[in-house]
Amino acid sequence: DAGITQSPRYKITETGRQVTLMCHQTWSHSYMFWYRQDLGHGLRLIYYSAAADITDKGEVPDGYVVSRSKTENFPLTLESATRSQTSVYFCAVQGMGEQYFGPGTRLTVT
Amino acid sequence: KQEVTQIPAALSVPEGENLVLNCSFTDSAIYNLQWFRQDPGKGLTSLLLIQSSQREQTSGRLNASLDKSSGRSTLYIAASQPGDSATYLCAPGGSNYKLTFGKGTLLTVNP
Repeated sequence: DAGITQSPRYKITETGRQVTLMCHQTWSHSYMFWYRQDLGHGLRLIYYSAAADITDKGEVPDGYVVSRSKTENFPLTLESATRSQTSVYFCAVQGMGEQYFGPGTRLTVT
Repeated sequence: KQEVTQIPAALSVPEGENLVLNCSFTDSAIYNLQWFRQDPGKGLTSLLLIQSSQREQTSGRLNASLDKSSGRSTLYIAASQPGDSATYLCAPGGSNYKLTFGKGTLLTVNP
């Protein structure tokens, strides 16, 4: 009963590399979200998806790309990683009332 | 744009004390409000969800209130325990279930 899984949990990459963070839900809820958490900023919404093939920008979308070909998966891609994208990334799923969060991916860009 | 402020930023109390965490938000057009708990290096755990039509919600020693028109919510923790030590986050929910987060209150309960 994992609910939401994220992989990898930890990632170190170099500036300019492409990185994809994976998010998978064991339910079939429609809405999924990507947030990043940084000291001094709290959690901020990057992108969200209302259903398969429907995505939209959040507060801080620049430098990120998302796709959602299957309801269960919502990958987040950093096309050319920058040091400012060093952060903890959380995937979330909207349940019947509450929003549930995954365990997070800690990404370091060197 | 929704702005969320949580006061205090940090709070240290002795075990057994009752305490109140405050959250204010600028846009009252919200659908609901969630309170979360986050332990160091961990994800977010949902504590309470208050719908916009509700005034309060209770779960065990936790009680959350919502005054939508004034843009305020409080989280009341009764008889605090060391295990309550964590960061508490307030997040009003807007259109498309998008949450806007405050920076949190870091709570330390001392034995």
